[in-house]
Amino acid sequence: GAGVSQSPSNKVTEKGKDVELRCDPISGHTALYWYRQSLGQGLEFLIYFQGNSAPDKSGLPSDRFSAERTGGSVSTLTIQRTQQEDSAVYLCASSPRRVQETQYFGPGTRLLVL
Amino acid sequence: SQQGEEDPQALSIQEGENATMNCSYKTSINNLQWYRQNSGRGLVHLILIRSNEREKHSGRLRVTLDTSKKSSSLLITASRAADTASYFCATDESDYKLSFGAGTTVTVRA
Repeated sequence: GAGVSQSPSNKVTEKGKDVELRCDPISGHTALYWYRQSLGQGLEFLIYFQGNSAPDKSGLPSDRFSAERTGGSVSTLTIQRTQQEDSAVYLCASSPRRVQETQYFGPGTRLLVL
Repeated sequence: SQQGEEDPQALSIQEGENATMNCSYKTSINNLQWYRQNSGRGLVHLILIRSNEREKHSGRLRVTLDTSKKSSSLLITASRAADTASYFCATDESDYKLSFGAGTTVTVRA
């Protein structure tokens, strides 16, 4: 079946603009995760959804970052008033139920803020 | 903060040789996972080892876990050029959060 998909693959934006990143998880997976990976670094946890609710938003770097998930499926990560330090690869993953399981990752969105 | 720390940061080996990398973590875990990442894109799950397991095999991969030392190792035997990638360990930091290390970059020379 289809894996996790993310769009766009690449996004170049100007400082101060808003961007929306989309994640389509594997059908039936209730758990969805967003991570950020800066060049040559490990993954930084941003937010986790179980169904449509996000029990923990503390990983979001600032109030410019927000995420939602509708219908227990597609999720959108929005970054408002982008800054150059937001440049990174944003990875989405899903798992059937919870974190103590294999996570299936999408290919990521490479964001460059000029 | 990162719970898992991989060692070494980078590894270069000849095709056919074995590659070993280690992961240390700080708090107790339910399981530990290893992932591979090619070209800075999505991660691919390799293997999951539970806290009550000491060793696990999958093809050319062998993972060990020592909970008393809070460490794990990943061994890739008979390496191939296609094994060139970054390898990350991940631990369940909480009920809903996986914590990834900074990774080990493996280069397999032909």
